[in-house]
Amino acid sequence: NAGVMQNPRHLVRRRGQEARLRCSPMKGHSHVYWYRQLPEEGLKFMVYLQKENIIDESGMPKERFSAEFPKEGPSILRIQQVVRGDSAAYFCASSPTIDRGQRSYTFGSGTRLTVV
Amino acid sequence: AQTVTQSQPEMSVQEAETVTLSCTYDTSESDYYLFWYKQPPSRQMILVIRQEAYKQQNATENRFSVNFQKAAKSFSLKISDSQLGDAAMYFCAYRTAKGGGSNYKLTFGKGTLLTVNP
Repeated sequence: NAGVMQNPRHLVRRRGQEARLRCSPMKGHSHVYWYRQLPEEGLKFMVYLQKENIIDESGMPKERFSAEFPKEGPSILRIQQVVRGDSAAYFCASSPTIDRGQRSYTFGSGTRLTVV
Repeated sequence: AQTVTQSQPEMSVQEAETVTLSCTYDTSESDYYLFWYKQPPSRQMILVIRQEAYKQQNATENRFSVNFQKAAKSFSLKISDSQLGDAAMYFCAYRTAKGGGSNYKLTFGKGTLLTVNP
C-alpha cells in the first residue's frame, strides 16, 4: 500500500513562473491537507480538501495560491507568479476520515520549491 | 489561537544515552492531542508518539516516552538508549479534540535538531 505520493520532489522555478505541486493520497483516503514549511520553521497548515471541495483554506495566502482535489486524479497546489518568499517545502497529508487520533493521518515526503 | 514552543533549536546526545526534548504549548482548551514527529533528512514526517490530554498516564512507545504535565502545559520527549538512526529534526505538535471546527489542523513548533554522536 503506497504512502502519500508527492511530486516532484524538487522543483525550481524562476520568479514569475507558475508552480504546480501534486499529491496523491493513500488509497482509500479522501481527505487531503497541505502544509508549508519555511526555512527554520515548523509546518504550517494551508488548506484542507475533500474530493471536489475546499473545506478550509484559512492558511492559504489570499493571492496567487490555489488548491484543488478533483474527483479523479491527485490534489494540486498551484502557485502563480512565484516569488522568492515562496521557497519552502510543501507537504501533503491524507486521512480516510477526520482522524482525531492521528493514527492514519499520513504525510508525504514533501516538495521542495526553490524560486530563483 | 494555540501556540507550540520548542526552546531548544539543537540538542546532541551520545549513542546509548538518554536525551529529553522540551515542548510547551498554550491553549485554553481542555481536550486535545499532542504529538511528536520525527523528520529525518529524507523529509518524511514520521509520527513518533501521541498523547491524549484526558489521559493522565504518559504515553510510551519502545524507547520513546513523554512527560506530559497538563497544568504546566509541558510535553517533553525522552529518548532512551539513543541510536544513530534517531538523528533528525523533532517537532512537537498540537491538535484540538473539540468536535467540529478545525480539529484536523496540526499546530507545530519550530523543531529541535537532534544529533547523535557515536
